[in-house]
Amino acid sequence: GAVVSQHPSRVICKSGTSVKIECRSLDFQATTMFWYRQFPKQSLMLMATSNEGSKATYEQGVEKDKFLINHASLTLSTLTVTSAHPEDSSFYICSARRLRVGTEAFFGQGTRLTVV
Amino acid sequence: ELKVEQNPLFLSMQEGKNYTIYCNYSTTSDRLYWYRQDPGKSLESLFVLLSNGAVKQEGRLMASLDTKARLSTLHITAAVHDLSATYFCAVGGSGGGADGLTFGKGTHLIIQP
Repeated sequence: GAVVSQHPSRVICKSGTSVKIECRSLDFQATTMFWYRQFPKQSLMLMATSNEGSKATYEQGVEKDKFLINHASLTLSTLTVTSAHPEDSSFYICSARRLRVGTEAFFGQGTRLTVV
Repeated sequence: ELKVEQNPLFLSMQEGKNYTIYCNYSTTSDRLYWYRQDPGKSLESLFVLLSNGAVKQEGRLMASLDTKARLSTLHITAAVHDLSATYFCAVGGSGGGADGLTFGKGTHLIIQP
């Protein structure tokens, strides 16, 4: 149980285009989903926290107009990277926390974004 | 602001040896996690530590938590090559899981035959 699926696992896009990444909790309902970014050989940095049905909370320094987050249901959150640039190339990982159960959040398999 | 310091950042060791990775954090937290990451992959959950004095063991790995010292350790016993990976500790705030995690920089562990 507690499976979080991210799609796509890899994506290459051209500069200036937008890319949508999906994060689904497959076997549980998630009150809260988190989006992280990891540059090569670096740690994970929290980008934003999204709660179902409400606006996402972004960490300092993360542009909310560039990284659009939608959490329309208890099993799906999406991250859209708008007008992507090469510096947005990174590994994006989501995690989801179960509704009213425990404190552990489960991680998706990650999405490798390359902007050319 | 919660800060998490992990050391060492890089560790090369021989099979059969023991070693410890340290994780210090700066403010009160209600939970601490250890993760493993293989190259190109996402995170694999190893341990969740929720209370002072908590100790958990799985195979050759053992994690402990001292909330008074704001310190967690990940101890590797009789290392084997398969344990080569990057290990992260991560700390939550006091939000009971409603807040995201702050990660240490990671310890890149290489275990040589």
